[in-house]
Amino acid sequence: EVQLVQSGGVVVQPGGSLRLSCAASGFTFDDYVMHWVRQTPGKGLEWVSLISWDGGRTHYADSVQGRFTISRDNSKNSLYLQMNSLRPEDTAFYYCAKTGVKWELLPGYFDYWGQGAPVTVSS
Amino acid sequence: DIQMTQSPSSLSASVGDRVTITCEASQDVRNFLHWYQQKPGKAPKLLIYDASNLETGVPSRFSGSGSGRDFTFTISSLQPEDIATYYCQQYENLPLTFGGGTRVEIK
Repeated sequence: EVQLVQSGGVVVQPGGSLRLSCAASGFTFDDYVMHWVRQTPGKGLEWVSLISWDGGRTHYADSVQGRFTISRDNSKNSLYLQMNSLRPEDTAFYYCAKTGVKWELLPGYFDYWGQGAPVTVSS
Repeated sequence: DIQMTQSPSSLSASVGDRVTITCEASQDVRNFLHWYQQKPGKAPKLLIYDASNLETGVPSRFSGSGSGRDFTFTISSLQPEDIATYYCQQYENLPLTFGGGTRVEIK
């Protein structure tokens, strides 16, 4: 059974940093592109970042470029999102998601999602 | 960026009704358009991928069609457990983008 289990939510001050984690099981982790997607009541679902199956390629939404870093450790079947210089507008529920197509950055679709983790950026 | 315009933003229908949601892309996304269902407090769930392919385990009352810029998602006979918000998403070009969602309620 495919499972993506995320680390818990947290409150962090503006300008602060946070690392999210996503532990994968039930599939060959290093065959698939992985993503972070966030959701806010006001802006809906927003794609944040992706990383290729081998970690060699990454892409980011303009809104997080230069502040967030996606990474993975295939030996630990884990995905990470390092979030720096956090802003109040980064407040959201963050999901990790797996693509349904092996070894393809594009195109694809999200066939499994983590349970999500709330991130609140507030003083 | 490819903008995804989903309509309606909400609808109310009776059990057994046919429900249709549309999604329009601002540019051609070929058939790389997917539909997700999200229930309150839960992560989105893939229902339809590549415009018209039913994900394994998803009831056959759900279907999708379209290509290029215009897509349709249909629930052939609305059931109480279908109460949720539905999203379209294009995965043809970065940044990946979602529609604004359609909240489906029972009348």
